[in-house]
Amino acid sequence: DIQMTQSPSSLSASVGDRVTITCRASQNIINYLNWYQQKPGKAPKLLIYVASNLQTGVPSRFSGSGSGTDFTLTISSLQPGDFATYYCQQSFSTPRTFGQGTKLDIK
Amino acid sequence: EAQLVESGGGLVKPGGSLRLSCAASGFSFSNAWMSWVRQAPGKGLEWVGRIKSKTDGGTTDYAAPVEGRFTISRDDSKNTLYLQMNSLKIEDTAVYYCTTDPDAFEIWGQGTMVTVSS
Repeated sequence: DIQMTQSPSSLSASVGDRVTITCRASQNIINYLNWYQQKPGKAPKLLIYVASNLQTGVPSRFSGSGSGTDFTLTISSLQPGDFATYYCQQSFSTPRTFGQGTKLDIK
Repeated sequence: EAQLVESGGGLVKPGGSLRLSCAASGFSFSNAWMSWVRQAPGKGLEWVGRIKSKTDGGTTDYAAPVEGRFTISRDDSKNTLYLQMNSLKIEDTAVYYCTTDPDAFEIWGQGTMVTVSS
């Protein structure tokens, strides 16, 4: 199985900050990497697919990059609604696997 | 608007069974690959398994922890996805989400809670 490792596990930041979350795969997944945002009590929401494609309706302050084993999610200027938990997920092979999550909270 | 609505969750004793349903609307369900993803209380997301569309063979794949105990099926005439869960264990306690596949989990249901406890 492909292991997905996110860092950091938690992060405190302020509105307006630029934030970067990283995700590393245990093997080459080319660009089959997706990012999700989850708020408490809600279903996850797809933000970025295939490493760098912004899902329809997602603000442009979210961006994704990377290939192979190393990927990043960047939020260019944090907004109040961005404080949530973020997960990466590989769709290169089954079983599909997720990172452990990065909890982003207000400093 | 595309929508998924899960149902069927509840409290069950260890060793028991439960069947979850996921009703789809607003998109071509018969052409969609579908997955189940679960989340234990306070934990991260875990993929449970998926079923391909019938035109792509209708085959299933499962995560190792549920292989042999869980079965995913679909009824395209009813636009409904199912998860039959047998021999339930305490560690199967989670919110269960259905979601569209394969390249990314684009559409999600609201989730249904399954609690396995004596």
